[in-house]
Amino acid sequence: EDKVVQSPLSLVVHEGDTVTLNCSYEVTNFRSLLWYKQEKKAPTFLFMLTSSGIEKKSGRLSSILDKKELFSILNITATQTGDSAVYLCAVEEGSARQLTFGSGTQLTVLP
Amino acid sequence: NAGVTQTPKFRILKIGQSMTLQCTQDMNHNYMYWYRQDPGMGLKLIYYSVGAGITDKGEVPNGYNVSRSTTEDFPLRLELAAPSQTSVYFCASSPPAGAGELFFGEGSRLTVL
Repeated sequence: EDKVVQSPLSLVVHEGDTVTLNCSYEVTNFRSLLWYKQEKKAPTFLFMLTSSGIEKKSGRLSSILDKKELFSILNITATQTGDSAVYLCAVEEGSARQLTFGSGTQLTVLP
Repeated sequence: NAGVTQTPKFRILKIGQSMTLQCTQDMNHNYMYWYRQDPGMGLKLIYYSVGAGITDKGEVPNGYNVSRSTTEDFPLRLELAAPSQTSVYFCASSPPAGAGELFFGEGSRLTVL
């Protein structure tokens, strides 16, 4: 059975800390890996990764994919309280772009 | 642009009742999806559609039905509601592969009592 596993399940840090969120996957028809941020409502898109070793960066957030070892990481530097959210990893597979989601990592950033 | 719009945002149903969650998108996306999210979990795919007149089952289709008569609309019907269907439902749409990310609606919280 295809699956996407995220770790840790939850994380509590203080403002200014750097965090690394992990996502490993086993799917039969990989097309891309996506990271979303979810704050009490709809997921909002962060990154889409299709190629190994190419870092994607947006401000304090960055992500990289390893297609050989089947994992991705999401890094957040200099965390702020506004980064508190659930971070979801999803793998796109199939011709219709179906997503298989992990259970998410709950990040809490304390002032 | 409105993007993906879902209605209603909240609904309480009694066991055995039926209802339809509405979803419409104005981005002319061919691909549309319904996901459900249970507390503390990721999203699970219920049904998807690659275009008007075409629908297919996802991971958890039992107890649901969909239709796609137009590109814009993708309603999800719950028949004979059960407590196990208490969840938050998200509709999403997507351009073709390689053309960008999926866009989500704001969600519909359904409680079955």
